Amino acid sequence: GESVGLHLPTLSVQEGDNSIINCAYSNSASDYFIWYKQESGKGPQFIIDIRSNMDKRQGQRVTVLLNKTVKHLSLQIAATQPGDSAVYFCAESVGGYSTLTFGKGTMLLVSP
Amino acid sequence: GAVVSQHPSWVICKSGTSVKIECRSLDFQATTMFWYRQFPKQSLMLMATSNEGSKATYEQGVEKDKFLINHASLTLSTLTVTSAHPEDSSFYICSARGTSGSYEQYFGPGTRLTVT
Repeated sequence: GESVGLHLPTLSVQEGDNSIINCAYSNSASDYFIWYKQESGKGPQFIIDIRSNMDKRQGQRVTVLLNKTVKHLSLQIAATQPGDSAVYFCAESVGGYSTLTFGKGTMLLVSP
Repeated sequence: GAVVSQHPSWVICKSGTSVKIECRSLDFQATTMFWYRQFPKQSLMLMATSNEGSKATYEQGVEKDKFLINHASLTLSTLTVTSAHPEDSSFYICSARGTSGSYEQYFGPGTRLTVT
């Protein structure tokens, strides 16, 4: 289930389940979006990106969906594994070469 | 490819001293580097953007005289926290964007700063 902690919402799933992590972005002018995975004590790791001219993009075990109408981004992870446990951040940018604004993050906990 | 390193990975310093953090792009040239700060259980907050050979652009609320950024070459940027105080204790992360035209920022592993 999903719970909201003091700062970081948490999504707990069982190994093998599909996970969906959501993100509401803030700037309607943003046209480039990225999902990052951050393990404890490490820097963010690129997962997948999407530009605003697309609604969906698929990678290996991951899919990003973009709904510009409601400014919503989601990351779907298929067959979640314990190694997927981490904090996931969405980030947005106005024009890909400008700065990134990170969302609040969601902690994904995968139990075996 | 596209590896970014940071040094040191962690540092403890006394209040009032200065500490320098290095960010290097190891296998590519980075025209732009970014410095972020992250407090526990919080998101990354952009501190500043630096372009090689020019002054850094600081985000609102970030003291440029306290957080000195130098981007002297296409592979190295440094962040110096001057007169550090306990509230500066944080996880500092850099990222670099290459010259290839790609949007992607490559992130370093972060530096944990603890000010006692």
